[in-house]
Amino acid sequence: IAGITQAPTSQILAAGRRMTLRCTQDMRHNAMYWYRQDLGLGLRLIHYSNTAGTTGKGEVPDGYSVSRANTDDFPLTLASAVPSQTSVYFCASSEGAGNPYNEQFFGPGTRLTVL
Amino acid sequence: GESVGLHLPTLSVQEGDNSIINCAYSNSASDYFIWYKQESGKGPQFIIDIRSNMDKRQGQRVTVLLNKTVKHLSLQIAATQPGDSAVYFCAPEWNTDKLIFGTGTRLQVFP
Repeated sequence: IAGITQAPTSQILAAGRRMTLRCTQDMRHNAMYWYRQDLGLGLRLIHYSNTAGTTGKGEVPDGYSVSRANTDDFPLTLASAVPSQTSVYFCASSEGAGNPYNEQFFGPGTRLTVL
Repeated sequence: GESVGLHLPTLSVQEGDNSIINCAYSNSASDYFIWYKQESGKGPQFIIDIRSNMDKRQGQRVTVLLNKTVKHLSLQIAATQPGDSAVYFCAPEWNTDKLIFGTGTRLQVFP
């Protein structure tokens, strides 16, 4: 079982370009999340999805969009990348669906550099 | 809102000693707390969790203590090993399913 996979592992991107970070889980979890982690800081929630077909904004959603067409995939799109979006991006999933005690499982991360 | 504070950004311990990592939180409504370990270049990994109706929970070499009165958690690692070197995050849950991460504490283990 792979758990959560993310792609690409790393990417260098020119400012103004569009970029989609991919995330796939094989645990049939209802909830999925995108976080960014900047140097010396903890993880901050960008967007989340409680179940397929629904999404919500987290702490730092500006400049990012997500979609949840099915249970397994939760892509994160930067429509027009800016240097402040240079970060490590982590995707996570949890059982969700009203379970109040949800351990989140994390992917290996995508290191994004915007020049 | 929720905020998470950590008392020490870096903790250095000798191999074989016990480690204690502390965490304060602000939202008294949080009822679930997770400790994660993050090794360099990897995603956070679940270590142990605790629910608000408990004040102590033990795992393999790890113990989490919860004091809801003062909104404080601690993670105790017994007989610390080099493989324990990592950044540790406590993550209280808020708003059902959402976790708040602090900046983390870096644990360095010396031989």
